[in-house]
Amino acid sequence: AQKITQTQPGMFVQEKEAVTLDCTYDTSDPSYGLFWYKQPSSGEMIFLIYQGSYDQQNATEGRYSLNFQKARKSANLVISASQLGDSAMYFCAMREGRGFKTIFGAGTRLFVKA
Amino acid sequence: DAGVIQSPRHEVTEMGQEVTLRCKPISGHDYLFWYRQTMMRGLELLIYFNNNVPIDDSGMPEDRFSAKMPNASFSTLKIQPSEPRDSAVYFCASSFSVVTRWSGANVLTFGAGSRLTVL
Repeated sequence: AQKITQTQPGMFVQEKEAVTLDCTYDTSDPSYGLFWYKQPSSGEMIFLIYQGSYDQQNATEGRYSLNFQKARKSANLVISASQLGDSAMYFCAMREGRGFKTIFGAGTRLFVKA
Repeated sequence: DAGVIQSPRHEVTEMGQEVTLRCKPISGHDYLFWYRQTMMRGLELLIYFNNNVPIDDSGMPEDRFSAKMPNASFSTLKIQPSEPRDSAVYFCASSFSVVTRWSGANVLTFGAGSRLTVL
């Protein structure tokens, strides 16, 4: 069965430092997509970055990069040079190729300290 | 495009009342998802549609919940009768499917959410 696990309920990082948010997944479908979303205190869901299961290179979007380790079934989000505005809830999500069902992990709350 | 539009943004109702949440997906998107977010259970997938047809409703908590998508531009999530434990933020999200290959075009775009409080 499709499963997403985020084991860090909360994380602290100093401003301007890098931080890694963990995500592991499980699926029997060889075709899938992995996503990270940010949810600030205002509540909206903001798409950050995407990685396809067949992509050879790790995805990057500005200060965000996805450390994709397929054999380990992990898709960690790396935020470089953290900013105060990065304080938010971060969700990892997976979409299977069959049926496009998309589920989310429990989330990690990130606190950026000045 | 105005994005995914949900209404109402806030709903306060009393136990036993019927609640209807509405969603207008992005034009051209062929997938529509309904999620429920609570502190205890996180983001739960309730049901999703493809081309207006329900594909998987295994996340719908019980028979009190029902969802419809009568056309490509409108979906409803109904709770009847509502209970205090239904209090949550309900998100609608839509997506475009790329048949030929995976791409970032499969990203889900979320609405602003409907915050439901059942007293």
